[in-house]
Amino acid sequence: GENVEQHPSTLSVQEGDSAVIKCTYSDSASNYFPWYKQELGKRPQLIIDIRSNVGEKKDQRIAVTLNKTAKHFSLHITETQPEDSAVYFCAATPGGYQKVTFGIGTKLQVIP
Amino acid sequence: DADVTQTPRNRITKTGKRIMLECSQTKGHDRMYWYRQDPGLGLRLIYYSFDVKDINKGEISDGYSVSRQAQAKFSLSLESAIPNQTALYFCATSDLGTGKETQYFGPGTRLLVL
Repeated sequence: GENVEQHPSTLSVQEGDSAVIKCTYSDSASNYFPWYKQELGKRPQLIIDIRSNVGEKKDQRIAVTLNKTAKHFSLHITETQPEDSAVYFCAATPGGYQKVTFGIGTKLQVIP
Repeated sequence: DADVTQTPRNRITKTGKRIMLECSQTKGHDRMYWYRQDPGLGLRLIYYSFDVKDINKGEISDGYSVSRQAQAKFSLSLESAIPNQTALYFCATSDLGTGKETQYFGPGTRLLVL
């Protein structure tokens, strides 16, 4: 089955700096890669996703990149703000009747 | 997301007791999932169901069972609770019809087994 590794497990950045979280996956059939943000005491929610036919996707201050050859994908947050502090999960799935596999999460702290 | 609800939100029980966690959704999604979250271990899949007649084990199904009573309801049972089942439990749904596997999570149930 799919195995998703995520790092770092914790990340501290100064407000205004950029943050990068990296994930690798094992199943070459995986074709959908979502990222979820979980604020303290709340449920995970989708913030951005990418399909395997796209190399990069942006949404305001967040972007995701995908390297299918190397089987890794990354989340980039620019101009970080205190409200970006949360746990971020990457995930991967081949879709169809296959389940989603999550990484272990990255706790991001943005220091004002 | 108010469309996925979980009851109870918090539960304290004793070792050996049977308990049930319930999940309901009004999204009309076919797919439903149960995850548990532990610090440092992320979201681990317990069971999932792609339609009413379909039930599949996830990576950590031992000690758990599920029931899909209807498209909108998916219950998780701990037959004989043990302390290492203390965790935050999330129900989630997804809709194959969108072409994506976006997971919509409920608010979570915090379970403490003494």
